[in-house]
Amino acid sequence: KNQVEQSPQSLIILEGKNCTLQCNYTVSPFSNLRWYKQDTGRGPVSLTIMTFSENTKSNGRYTATLDADTKQSSLHITASQLSDSASYICVVLSGGSYIPTFGRGTSLIVHP
Amino acid sequence: GAGVSQSPSNKVTEKGKDVELRCDPISGHTALYWYRQSLGQGLEFLIYFQGNSAPDKSGLPSDRFSAERTGGSVSTLTIQRTQQEDSAVYLCASGQSTDTQYFGPGTRLTVL
Repeated sequence: KNQVEQSPQSLIILEGKNCTLQCNYTVSPFSNLRWYKQDTGRGPVSLTIMTFSENTKSNGRYTATLDADTKQSSLHITASQLSDSASYICVVLSGGSYIPTFGRGTSLIVHP
Repeated sequence: GAGVSQSPSNKVTEKGKDVELRCDPISGHTALYWYRQSLGQGLEFLIYFQGNSAPDKSGLPSDRFSAERTGGSVSTLTIQRTQQEDSAVYLCASGQSTDTQYFGPGTRLTVL
């Protein structure tokens, strides 16, 4: 069964600090992996998309990594801002499928 | 251009009533998804439309749920005889392909 597990479930950090969110998946065959940011009361917004051959992809202060061998991904947030407070969702699409598998998300709270 | 819009943003209904949720996708997007997001849970796939093809309804939790997409554009998700366990945020997403999904803000449904 395709599964996406995220950790930690929740995280509280101080403004300006860095943090790393983890995503482990069992989806096979692998097509791509996305990280989404979901603000409270809003729909998810795509941050990065990574295919099998990509190890690292950055989007401003967000950097995603992918290890297709160990089926792990991470999202690193640098110099966190209050606006980074949100839920971060890891989504994996299987090759030949159009139905993605979603993680439950990591709830990040950035305190001033 | 305009993003994906959903209406209503909030819906409170009594158990046993029918509800209709509307999604206006981005113009020209052929793919349209409906998801359900319950508190503390990952997004749950409900139904997928692609162009004029028959929709994939494999995610609909019961026969009380149905959806249609008229003219390849606007979609309506209907829940008949609502139950308290139907309470959730219903998200719609559209895209040009299965890789890129743009989400609407969601409809928060509360069944009393």
